[in-house]
Amino acid sequence: ETGVTQSPTHLIKTRGQQVTLRCSSQSGHNTVSWYQQALGQGPQFIFQYYREEENGRGNFPPRFSGLQFPNYSSELNVNALELDDSALYLCASSRRGPQNRVGELFFGEGSRLTVL
Amino acid sequence: GESVGLHLPTLSVQEGDNSIINCAYSNSASDYFIWYKQESGKGPQFIIDIRSNMDKRQGQRVTVLLNKTVKHLSLQIAATQPGDSAVYFCAEIGNSGYALNFGKGTSLLVTP
Repeated sequence: ETGVTQSPTHLIKTRGQQVTLRCSSQSGHNTVSWYQQALGQGPQFIFQYYREEENGRGNFPPRFSGLQFPNYSSELNVNALELDDSALYLCASSRRGPQNRVGELFFGEGSRLTVL
Repeated sequence: GESVGLHLPTLSVQEGDNSIINCAYSNSASDYFIWYKQESGKGPQFIIDIRSNMDKRQGQRVTVLLNKTVKHLSLQIAATQPGDSAVYFCAEIGNSGYALNFGKGTSLLVTP
């Protein structure tokens, strides 16, 4: 148990729809990162939120967006869903360390998204 | 560009044997490396980490070795148990300082 909870655990959408995934970070953590993990692949960094602002982004288009709330929980929103968006979406929380480097990441169990 | 890769996609070992999982990286600026274990249907679980100012770090039944000269790290699991069966990922934090760059993973299967 990492203390990071994600919802929903599974969901099915159709192409063109929009989805919102939610994450509650571990107590005491102020940074949330989102990763996309396609089947048989390693997780790919989407973006990170710190102090309610996007702090860095990987190679993902603008239709992937997010929010971080004052209690450090977070949402990942994906618009105009495509078939290739089918993946496990992982949330990870951490505590920002010295020189703003991320500390140890604690991952949730993920939200499995299937786009038909 | 940055890349992290694993030498073998699958590894099968007998219970009680030692396991060695290898990983190569290409970014010489990488200064922090982590090994994760991911069981089926679960998120990655932190195993052990190592910073670039070290070449070896030991945990409980696990050892990570870092060779910066050839940009290679390995995870050694002593006395492998059935519960160790999972996919293992190496990851590094490079220039960004915050984004983990994962490899594809090695599937470890422990047979009785």
